[in-house]
Amino acid sequence: DAGVTQSPTHLIKTRGQQVTLRCSPKSGHDTVSWYQQALGQGPQFIFQYYEEEERQRGNFPDRFSGHQFPNYSSELNVNALLLGDSALYLCASKVGAPSETQYFGPGTRLLVL
Amino acid sequence: SQQGEEDPQALSIQEGENATMNCSYKTSINNLQWYRQNSGRGLVHLILIRSNEREKHSGRLRVTLDTSKKSSSLLITASRAADTASYFCATDSMDSSYKLIFGSGTRLLVRP
Repeated sequence: DAGVTQSPTHLIKTRGQQVTLRCSPKSGHDTVSWYQQALGQGPQFIFQYYEEEERQRGNFPDRFSGHQFPNYSSELNVNALLLGDSALYLCASKVGAPSETQYFGPGTRLLVL
Repeated sequence: SQQGEEDPQALSIQEGENATMNCSYKTSINNLQWYRQNSGRGLVHLILIRSNEREKHSGRLRVTLDTSKKSSSLLITASRAADTASYFCATDSMDSSYKLIFGSGTRLLVRP
């Protein structure tokens, strides 16, 4: 049973560029959340997708957008990259009911130069 | 903003000793979860405790929850070098159960 997978593992971009990160949820899971983790900090919630709709959004600018596909996989897009966007981006999946465990992928390390 | 705050920020112990980490949070919750993170990679789920539970065990892990004090503790007994990692508590909130709110974590070093 495959867990949550993310691609790519590492990514280097320059300021102003755009980036797309990908996530495949754990088998049987239909809800995907994205988190940003800066060095030395805890993860910060970006948004959550369920039934291909953004269900909730954290305190992130519109430069951060996402999508969920019919197979429940998801993408995180970040436009006009800033140096401060350098972080580990984590995807988590769960079944749709609230108050259930979220399972995290290994993350994508993004470096913006 | 981060709801959970772990204490201490860093902890160094000898292999075989017990490690205790504490977490405080601000709002009413449905549940509280503890996660482990090795070397800045993905988070591994350790244990979930619901707001109507006071204590939960899983192997060498013991978690307590005191909703009146809005605090939780994670005890790792008979620690091993492989337990070296960062540990995070994460809460949802009763008015927004979709997202997890993490603290800044406790960095645990278990010396062989």
